Amino acid sequence: QQQVKQSPQSLIVQKGGISIINCAYENTAFDYFPWYQQFPGKGPALLIAIRPDVSEKKEGRFTISFNKSAKQFSLHIMDSQPGDSATYFCAALGSGNTGKLIFGQGTTLQVKP
Amino acid sequence: EPEVTQTPSHQVTQMGQEVILRCVPISNHLYFYWYRQILGQKVEFLVSFYNNEISEKSEIFDDQFSVERPDGSNFTLKIRSTKLEDSAMYFCASSERDRVDYGYTFGSGTRLTVV
Repeated sequence: QQQVKQSPQSLIVQKGGISIINCAYENTAFDYFPWYQQFPGKGPALLIAIRPDVSEKKEGRFTISFNKSAKQFSLHIMDSQPGDSATYFCAALGSGNTGKLIFGQGTTLQVKP
Repeated sequence: EPEVTQTPSHQVTQMGQEVILRCVPISNHLYFYWYRQILGQKVEFLVSFYNNEISEKSEIFDDQFSVERPDGSNFTLKIRSTKLEDSAMYFCASSERDRVDYGYTFGSGTRLTVV
């Protein structure tokens, strides 16, 4: 199954809080899981990514947690800031070595001051 | 930082007309992609292109769509006879290799409106 399911659809967090976005996949051939941030009128920009042989990756305030057995991964944004307000997409690199990315449905994050 | 450049940023076209969306990938990249995003929805893969041929295409990429790398710098998406449902943001992307971790970069998109 070439799908990635993402939740929640939207999220409102107070400044300084933790934002958590979850994704699940079915295809065990996926081997790379990036998160993208998208601002209105712009293309997706790579935020952070993880391979399935690693359970966690942290870059600054952004952390990916990966549970290979459950086929789930999540993005945690610590100390959320109003500038983090954007749409976040999880994705998976499809099998077949063609560079095809399969995106989740997206989460619109609003961080209130 | 190197960028993927897309033109035009917004195009309005009449139903049934042909449109060509243009992209200038990052200069040392070898893999090229088109994605689309219908307003408020997820980003969907259309096609990947390497070594002057399509390496994978989705079911969306039917006979109305074609891609071309007419010279050493441009990568184009042509829609032969546009339909209302083709209205979307179209994103071009490029990468050094078929891996996200090899500089896989998206352009800012072309908003296509079919009327």
